[in-house]
Amino acid sequence: GNSVTQMEGPVTLSEEAFLTINCTYTATGYPSLFWYVQYPGEGLQLLLKATKADDKGSNKGFEATYRKETTSFHLEKGSVQVSDSAVYFCALSNFGNEKLTFGTGTRLTIIP
Amino acid sequence: GAVVSQHPSRVICKSGTSVKIECRSLDFQATTMFWYRQFPKQSLMLMATSNEGSKATYEQGVEKDKFLINHASLTLSTLTVTSAHPEDSSFYICSAPRKLASYNEQFFGPGTRLTVL
Repeated sequence: GNSVTQMEGPVTLSEEAFLTINCTYTATGYPSLFWYVQYPGEGLQLLLKATKADDKGSNKGFEATYRKETTSFHLEKGSVQVSDSAVYFCALSNFGNEKLTFGTGTRLTIIP
Repeated sequence: GAVVSQHPSRVICKSGTSVKIECRSLDFQATTMFWYRQFPKQSLMLMATSNEGSKATYEQGVEKDKFLINHASLTLSTLTVTSAHPEDSSFYICSAPRKLASYNEQFFGPGTRLTVL
């Protein structure tokens, strides 16, 4: 079955630091990959996605590249801000199936 | 953007009682909605798929008689936790897909924190 393994948190960084949150997956076929973000008191929001190998998803300065050879979808940002403090979830779904399989989530705290 | 609401946001109940959680898509229609459960420091686990006009589809290991799902309209799905026990205490989240361009994007509710005493 499908599974997503995500870097354990919490992660605390200083403002303007470089961020990497690791995510690897196991799935049948060719899944679509997602990063969701959950700000305090809010629902999960789609941050970025990639639907096929070598695709790069990007949004709000965050990037992740779909690496089929390493079954990975690591989230990166070159310079984090305090407003990036949130919980980040890596997830996948199989083509045509809206069901999402999530990682455990990584809590990120950015200090000024 | 599309908004999905949940009500209540937080509920505390006594063991043995039933609790109903509502999930609404506020500005779009959803023939399908999904219910997830999240334990502390764990990932969201899909419980069931709510289907408008037909029975819900439950994931393996989820008791359908325990977690009753009704998709009453194209904008409302309800999850009723029947005869709740302390082990049912959890964070319940719903989502609804909306077709955007060439793909369906899932929009999530803010979640409902259930505490069973």
